[in-house]
Amino acid sequence: DQQVKQNSPSLSVQEGRISILNCDYTNSMFDYFLWYKKYPAEGPTFLISISSIKDKNEDGRFTVFLNKSAKHLSLHIVPSQPGDSAVYFCAASERDTGTASKLTFGTGTRLQVTL
Amino acid sequence: ETGVTQSPTHLIKTRGQQVTLRCSSQSGHNTVSWYQQALGQGPQFIFQYYREEENGRGNFPPRFSGLQFPNYSSELNVNALELDDSALYLCASSSQGRLRSPLHFGNGTRLTVT
Repeated sequence: DQQVKQNSPSLSVQEGRISILNCDYTNSMFDYFLWYKKYPAEGPTFLISISSIKDKNEDGRFTVFLNKSAKHLSLHIVPSQPGDSAVYFCAASERDTGTASKLTFGTGTRLQVTL
Repeated sequence: ETGVTQSPTHLIKTRGQQVTLRCSSQSGHNTVSWYQQALGQGPQFIFQYYREEENGRGNFPPRFSGLQFPNYSSELNVNALELDDSALYLCASSSQGRLRSPLHFGNGTRLTVT
């Protein structure tokens, strides 16, 4: 049972345009959400996070939006740059269960930013 | 600040064998967790160690076990290897006291079981 879903395996965007990556979740106990970026032969790198008490969090070119009623979040990258080409993973964690580092990941979206 | 380091980077084992993967946590971090990433999938939580004890486990059988040492480094041991154990194994560290601090991942060990 996939509790975190990224339904688009790949996305291609032109340099300078907006990239929008989507993520849906089913577990109502999730209250903290993160986006990670992964380059080949490297581990995932943390990008941005959002708590369920917020509906938006911004960090430079990256903005994450959370719609709790729809159990949906999205990552916006503006403007997109060629260096953003990577696999992006959405991840979620539940309210404090004592296992703070248990994240549930989606299957990832491969973003390609073209010139 | 030293990041999370894992060794070896690649490993090939035969079905039925045992394997040990190693991880050094980022300095200042007291919690380590291990993830398995199969091809085309997202990372899956195996377990977490804090104060040298396992204190959280995902849906993995007992042949997956671990250790955390006083210097917060860690090992992942897998016994009786199966073909489906072929995957990228990721180690991540964090500070337990900061429940919502993001995990910092190493570059992983690519395990191939033949």
